[in-house]
Amino acid sequence: EDQVTQSPEALRLQEGESSSLNCSYTVSGLRGLFWYRQDPGKGPEFLFTLYSAGEEKEKERLKATLTKKESFLHITAPKPEDSATYLCAVQAGLTGGGNKLTFGTGTQLKVEL
Amino acid sequence: NAGVTQTPKFQVLKTGQSMTLQCAQDMNHEYMSWYRQDPGMGLRLIHYSVGAGITDQGEVPNGYNVSRSTTEDFPLRLLSAAPSQTSVYFCASSYSQGSNQPQHFGDGTRLSIL
Repeated sequence: EDQVTQSPEALRLQEGESSSLNCSYTVSGLRGLFWYRQDPGKGPEFLFTLYSAGEEKEKERLKATLTKKESFLHITAPKPEDSATYLCAVQAGLTGGGNKLTFGTGTQLKVEL
Repeated sequence: NAGVTQTPKFQVLKTGQSMTLQCAQDMNHEYMSWYRQDPGMGLRLIHYSVGAGITDQGEVPNGYNVSRSTTEDFPLRLLSAAPSQTSVYFCASSYSQGSNQPQHFGDGTRLSIL
């Protein structure tokens, strides 16, 4: 059974204080690992897809990395507008379930002035 | 470009009532799916469709029905609402079955069953 565990559950940072969010996973044949951002009252918003170990993707202050067991979302010099819940999800190989995503429970990030 | 549109945004039902949650996408995506999000749990797949006329069950399908008569629309029906179905429901779409392109989500329907 595919599993995704995210840590920490919640993180409070000062503006400019860099940190990393962790996503550990077990999956039968990784087809893709996805990072989403979710704001209160909204649906998940796509950030990155990572396909293989060693891959990195960047977008503004965010950088996602992938190993064979985990992914990190690095946030450099965060701003208050980066406050959100960050979700990690994995998509397994074609063993049924269509394009099913298995999600973690998320990391709630709060960036303060 | 609206993306994935869900209606209604909020709904309160009594136990035993039925209702349909609407989902429409304007991206010509073949693959559509429904997830529910509950506190302390990750989003869980309810049903999915790989194209018009084709649907299949996900992880938590009991108590829900779906149909896909057009590419654009994928409604979710609650047959006889139960308090355990109180949740936030998200519809998502992506390019095609087997694609590892990202799924795009709507803003959800917040459903309370009394």
